[in-house]
Amino acid sequence: DSGVTQTPKHLITATGQRVTLRCSPRSGDLSVYWYQQSLDQGLQFLIHYYNGEERAKGNILERFSAQQFPDLHSELNLSSLELGDSALYFCASRPGTYSGNTIYFGEGSWLTVV
Amino acid sequence: DQQVKQNSPSLSVQEGRISILNCDYTNSMFDYFLWYKKYPAEGPTFLISISSIKDKNEDGRFTVFLNKSAKHLSLHIVPSQPGDSAVYFCAAYSGGGADGLTFGKGTHLIIQP
Repeated sequence: DSGVTQTPKHLITATGQRVTLRCSPRSGDLSVYWYQQSLDQGLQFLIHYYNGEERAKGNILERFSAQQFPDLHSELNLSSLELGDSALYFCASRPGTYSGNTIYFGEGSWLTVV
Repeated sequence: DQQVKQNSPSLSVQEGRISILNCDYTNSMFDYFLWYKKYPAEGPTFLISISSIKDKNEDGRFTVFLNKSAKHLSLHIVPSQPGDSAVYFCAAYSGGGADGLTFGKGTHLIIQP
């Protein structure tokens, strides 16, 4: 158990809909990352939040957004869903942004768009 | 442009032997490297890491070697056990990791009895 909690574990929704994925980082971790893993792709970095503020964006679509709340949990919002958005979405956390900090991953949220 | 490359999609090793997984990178700014193990439909599990100022790090059956001049790292598992069968990802970051980890596409390690 990495200590990173993600909900829901599985989600099936229709095209055009909107979903919210939730992540609780390890206790005390200020940094939260979101990653997407599709069938043919490796793990793609989406976005990084540090202590409530956005730090970096990766390959995140404009239809997707995220935020980190004062209690440090984070949500990834996916809207106008398309079939190609079906993927495993991972949240990861670490204490800060210093070299040497390991990044720990949650179990993932499996999104299926039908 | 793939900055972290794992050129072997799969590797089959006999139980008890050494497993060697390779990884190459192109970004000379990477200063920290990590290996993760992943089972299907689960999150990546951290295995071992190495700073760019070192050339070797060992933790039990796992050893990571870094050759900075060749921009190459490898993960050695010895002896290999059936539970080691999984996908192994090489990952790297630079400058404290604000931009997150850059992952290779993974190598599927199969340990045969």
